[in-house]
Amino acid sequence: KNQVEQSPQSLIILEGKNCTLQCNYTVSPFSNLRWYKQDTGRGPVSLTIMTFSENTKSNGRYTATLDADTKQSSLHITASQLSDSASYICVVHVAGTYKYIFGTGTRLKVLA
Amino acid sequence: DSGVTQTPKHLITATGQRVTLRCSPRSGDLSVYWYQQSLDQGLQFLIHYYNGEERAKGNILERFSAQQFPDLHSELNLSSLELGDSALYFCASSIPSGTSGDTQYFGPGTRLTVL
Repeated sequence: KNQVEQSPQSLIILEGKNCTLQCNYTVSPFSNLRWYKQDTGRGPVSLTIMTFSENTKSNGRYTATLDADTKQSSLHITASQLSDSASYICVVHVAGTYKYIFGTGTRLKVLA
Repeated sequence: DSGVTQTPKHLITATGQRVTLRCSPRSGDLSVYWYQQSLDQGLQFLIHYYNGEERAKGNILERFSAQQFPDLHSELNLSSLELGDSALYFCASSIPSGTSGDTQYFGPGTRLTVL
């Protein structure tokens, strides 16, 4: 069964600290993996998209990694800011289809 | 601002009623996706349209239906509403790159409350 699991469910960190969010998937066949940031009550915004051949991709203070062999991805946030408080959603695209499998997200809270 | 607009922003209605949610995609985008997000739940894919044609269906109930019009805007119709249908409904649009995936731009959502 195609699934995307994220951990932790929630995370609280102090402003300025780094953190890493995890995403494990069992989606097959795999096309690409994306990370979205969703502020409360708003639509998700794309942070990164990685295909099978890409190991890492950065977007400012956000760096995503992908290990297609172990089917794991991580999103690393550097020098966190209060505005990073949001849910981070991992999404995997099923190759050859128009289907996207969403994780339930990690809710991050950054405290001053 | 993603360029995707959704109306209305909020909708309050009673059980058994029918509502229509509207989505206007970004200029030039041919694909429209609909998602449901219940309280503290992840996004659930409902349905995908490309240039007026249905391309994929997800966990969409039979009480729900959608269409995409020639001007590319889309409507999601929810009927015989139940309390459990209360959720945020998001629309996303994209210029698809075939079946290799595309970047979806999400609208601000419509918050539906069924009383």
